[in-house]
Amino acid sequence: GESVGLHLPTLSVQEGDNSIINCAYSNSASDYFIWYKQESGKGPQFIIDIRSNMDKRQGQRVTVLLNKTVKHLSLQIAATQPGDSAVYFCAERLYTGNQFYFGTGTSLTVIP
Amino acid sequence: SQTIHQWPATLVQPVGSPLSLECTVEGTSNPNLYWYRQAAGRGLQLLFYSVGIGQISSEVPQNLSASRPQDRQFILSSKKLLLSDSGFYLCAWNARDRSIETQYFGPGTRLLVL
Repeated sequence: GESVGLHLPTLSVQEGDNSIINCAYSNSASDYFIWYKQESGKGPQFIIDIRSNMDKRQGQRVTVLLNKTVKHLSLQIAATQPGDSAVYFCAERLYTGNQFYFGTGTSLTVIP
Repeated sequence: SQTIHQWPATLVQPVGSPLSLECTVEGTSNPNLYWYRQAAGRGLQLLFYSVGIGQISSEVPQNLSASRPQDRQFILSSKKLLLSDSGFYLCAWNARDRSIETQYFGPGTRLLVL
């Protein structure tokens, strides 16, 4: 569900290391999940998505893992680069609806 | 390819003044359209969504309203702005028939109410 009232958690990683950003979702009826990247002053940008009938999906340097048992989603970024510094949001959609609900977001800072 | 536009990019308005933010989508037909608000350092709050012309669903009761006068146009309005209406307003779309499930966002409008 929505978590819009919380301050952003932060994650700092060294350039070249792998990053793992976590998200807990609330509804077991959610069938589709998206990870977004948002840079300061810009709209969220699509990174990767996954459907509930999958537990892993890979993109370029990114992997999304879905654990439906504990309603947990993670985004792994390999070889993190300074350009990866941003806020990352997960979003869930109920299979019955059109609405997406966003997590609180995590602020990722990459240290050169 | 599809493109989503929002304007204005930034807006400074006095308390009590009206508001009109516009969002248009190009390159697609029959999209679902969404309005979100994002307070500084916070997550996204869904305000309204629309599955068709004249069809508006409100997620959060407030002094804002939305309208969809054309298939690819979504407008966010207020008759009298409050200080608490300040924030970053984002429009998004996806395909109604779920051929494109991902929501794609516009560049946003930053609103400051003084």
